[in-house]
Amino acid sequence: DAGITQSPRHKVTETGTPVTLRCHQTENHRYMYWYRQDPGHGLRLIHYSYGVKDTDKGEVSDGYSVSRSKTEDFLLTLESATSSQTSVYFCAIGGTSLSYEQYFGPGTRLTVT
Amino acid sequence: DAKTTQPPSMDCAEGRAANLPCNHSTISGNEYVYWYRQIHSQGPQYIIHGLKNNETNEMASLIITEDRKSSTLILPHATLRDTAVYYCISRRSGAGSYQLTFGKGTKLSVIP
Repeated sequence: DAGITQSPRHKVTETGTPVTLRCHQTENHRYMYWYRQDPGHGLRLIHYSYGVKDTDKGEVSDGYSVSRSKTEDFLLTLESATSSQTSVYFCAIGGTSLSYEQYFGPGTRLTVT
Repeated sequence: DAKTTQPPSMDCAEGRAANLPCNHSTISGNEYVYWYRQIHSQGPQYIIHGLKNNETNEMASLIITEDRKSSTLILPHATLRDTAVYYCISRRSGAGSYQLTFGKGTKLSVIP
């Protein structure tokens, strides 16, 4: 299995609070991604990174920001959590302009009350 | 990227081959077919991908028809651990975004 960890694995937070999720990889891969998965919507891309300090928006980026100061860490921040951001969040690594072979972390289950 | 169509669910007896079909009739010449699966509550897992030729790895085989309008993922000896949702995705090489778009997939149930 690809060396990808996510922390925390579970979190409950209140509406309006900031939340940061961490993705850590040991594969030294250039590309990293944050997806969210909700019933009826499948997986949707939030943000991705193509290198240290290089990030771009995905399909559902509103309300989220990301940072990548080191190759191995990709942080996802919910600036002010809302109930609509209750979801399972998956980090992935891999993929290039030639291949969409991505490897996913175990996921973080976030509940916003 | 071509739209893919998969049956919503399938059953397979343990130890038998599981053949999961995918229709991608509008696929273009530079689009690859990717297969992923997601076991309950886990992150999606890459299985295999191909362009024109049939492909095989330690997990599965991918058979792509000559006209490339459909493909079949084959798990040669299904086990209970293969129970999962299987996603067929087509993606153009060199596309500007690296997003993978997962549809509803096929829920495969392996029956003892």
